[in-house]
Amino acid sequence: QKEVEQDPGPLSVPEGAIVSLNCTYSNSAFQYFMWYRQYSRKGPELLMYTYSSGNKEDGRFTAQVDKSSKYISLFIRDSQPSDSATYLCAMSEGNTGFQKLVFGTGTRLLVSP
Amino acid sequence: NAGVTQTPKFQVLKTGQSMTLQCAQDMNHEYMSWYRQDPGMGLRLIHYSVGAGITDQGEVPNGYNVSRSTTEDFPLRLLSAAPSQTSVYFCASSSLSGGDNQPQHFGDGTRLSIL
Repeated sequence: QKEVEQDPGPLSVPEGAIVSLNCTYSNSAFQYFMWYRQYSRKGPELLMYTYSSGNKEDGRFTAQVDKSSKYISLFIRDSQPSDSATYLCAMSEGNTGFQKLVFGTGTRLLVSP
Repeated sequence: NAGVTQTPKFQVLKTGQSMTLQCAQDMNHEYMSWYRQDPGMGLRLIHYSVGAGITDQGEVPNGYNVSRSTTEDFPLRLLSAAPSQTSVYFCASSSLSGGDNQPQHFGDGTRLSIL
């Protein structure tokens, strides 16, 4: 079993929809949680990051961490065609900070005009 | 500010050949790392470094060597290429200074195919 599980999709939504992307994990030592966006043939681009539990909002993006359920989510409001990409969740243990990341396999999101 | 720069962008090798993937960053980051990305596997950590002269192994280090002689550069060497090393390789860096860890920033990758 992988340490981090992520549905590969694709997830297809119309423009303007609210998108929910999720990851589950098994390692209770994970304390740092990140979401990266990856366009085709490009490197991962950091979207949001959080430490421990709670919510964080940045514009149209909201990241949630539920450590009791070992579940993290990324919500995208008012989705745009430019949001079409693969979204990667990443995590690391508390003693390694944001280093030594463990990634999910990524969810491919398609937003149609 | 170029960020993290990887060269080459594409490379085709024959089994048994050696090569070096280059990674340079201009942000004075202490931490640098190499990942490989394979379909259905996500990104996996190969090697990492917390500063010049210090390197350590990640999850999948076999068949790869690294060295860190300067803060800016962190090359990845394939000693004897094998078809199983066909992948997309990403280099990343982040700051460790001031006791404040920061998330990693990635380059755009090197696509490596081994025949």
